[in-house]
Parts: sequence; C-alpha cells; structure tokens
Amino acid sequence: GQQLNQSPQSMFIQEGEDVSMNCTSSSIFNTWLWYKQDPGEGPVLLIALYKAGELTSNGRLTAQFGITRKDSFLNISASIPSDVGIYFCAGQEGEYGNKLVFGAGTILRVKS
Amino acid sequence: DGGITQSPKYLFRKEGQNVTLSCEQNLNHDAMYWYRQDPGQGLRLIYYSQIVNDFQKGDIAEGYSVSREKKESFPLTVTSAQKNPTAFYLCASGGEQNTEAFFGQGTRLTVV
Repeated sequence: GQQLNQSPQSMFIQEGEDVSMNCTSSSIFNTWLWYKQDPGEGPVLLIALYKAGELTSNGRLTAQFGITRKDSFLNISASIPSDVGIYFCAGQEGEYGNKLVFGAGTILRVKS
Repeated sequence: DGGITQSPKYLFRKEGQNVTLSCEQNLNHDAMYWYRQDPGQGLRLIYYSQIVNDFQKGDIAEGYSVSREKKESFPLTVTSAQKNPTAFYLCASGGEQNTEAFFGQGTRLTVV
C-alpha cells in the first residue's frame, strides 16, 4: 500500500523546547491529519488540514499542509511533560470516504 | 455522548479459536475502519467499509473477517487462520465528509 515517511522516529527533548516532525509522501494527498496516541489508548485527532498551503493551530500545536500536497509538518511549542506520546500523521488520497494511510509515528519523550 | 466504542478492552484467546471484537459508533458516520498496531509500530489497515453492506480489504486482511449489516456497527472477527493475532486493535469511523477518522479506545488481544 501507499507509504508515508514520518520523521524523526523518536525524539527526546527538554521541557520547554519546541518540537518539529514531518511526513512526506510519494503521491498527492487531499487531506492531512495529525494524531496523538497515549499508551494503551486510541489515537486522538489533533489537527486536520484540507488545503495545500493551509496553516492551522490548536493551542501550542501548529501544522501545515505542504504546497506540493506531498508533505506536512507538525510543530509543538514550549513542550510540557504531558506532550509525551506517539504522534502519527495520516493522509487521504482520494475523495469522500477513501481510506487513510498512516505514518509509522514519532515517539516523543520529554525530560522534565 | 456521541462516540465510538470498542469492547472488550482486553481479550484473551486460546490458539485455534475465533474471536470477535466489537465496534459501535453513534456519530452517524458512513465509513468505518479496523487497524492493527503492534508494539512500537504504526497502524496497519485490516478492513474498511464506506457504506452499509459493503467493505474492502486493507493491507493485512488475511486471517480476518468483517461485516457491516448496520451503519453503527463494524465487528471484526480474528480467525484461527491469523498466525500472529496478538496485537492492539483499533476501530475508527469517518468524520465530516469522511475526511477525518475518530478512534475508539482499542482492544488488546492476547493469544494464550
């Protein structure tokens, strides 16, 4: 199936630092989504992006839909301990109802 | 409250037995999905359904079966043909215009 390359695979940062992670694809996506998963729980949707070039914020989170429609990034500003978890990007290729493709995830660990 | 519910949270199965995982949503979503997650790994699509009485295989459908007799329900059966069924199983349903997916809390299946 379609692959999304998500990087970095893991991060270990100091509390208060900014964090950046990204996803790239070999094909064009119509939608980019970013999720966070806590241990033993289902992923929770953080940000949804629908248009090329779109920049959207949700509190300390900011995500952008790349102009080429083949990439997206997620930034977390001023990280705190509860930011720990796995962050997934997901993309949707087609129109209404098409399946989502997920990246392998970025594991975020924060030093307090 | 609207949401997507998976049950049970934990499930133990003996080798050679079939087992069915429940997924119910009251969000009036057309699309529903089943994903498998192995430790430290991303999400892999098992099956998805865009409409009642229709479903498609995902990337790892072998050893699994589904049904979609009602819009609200998308049960997953892990059959004895699945060689390595121990994993965390996540169900999701499609959001507005089915461009987003919202996840349940997951079912952790362990074969004993």
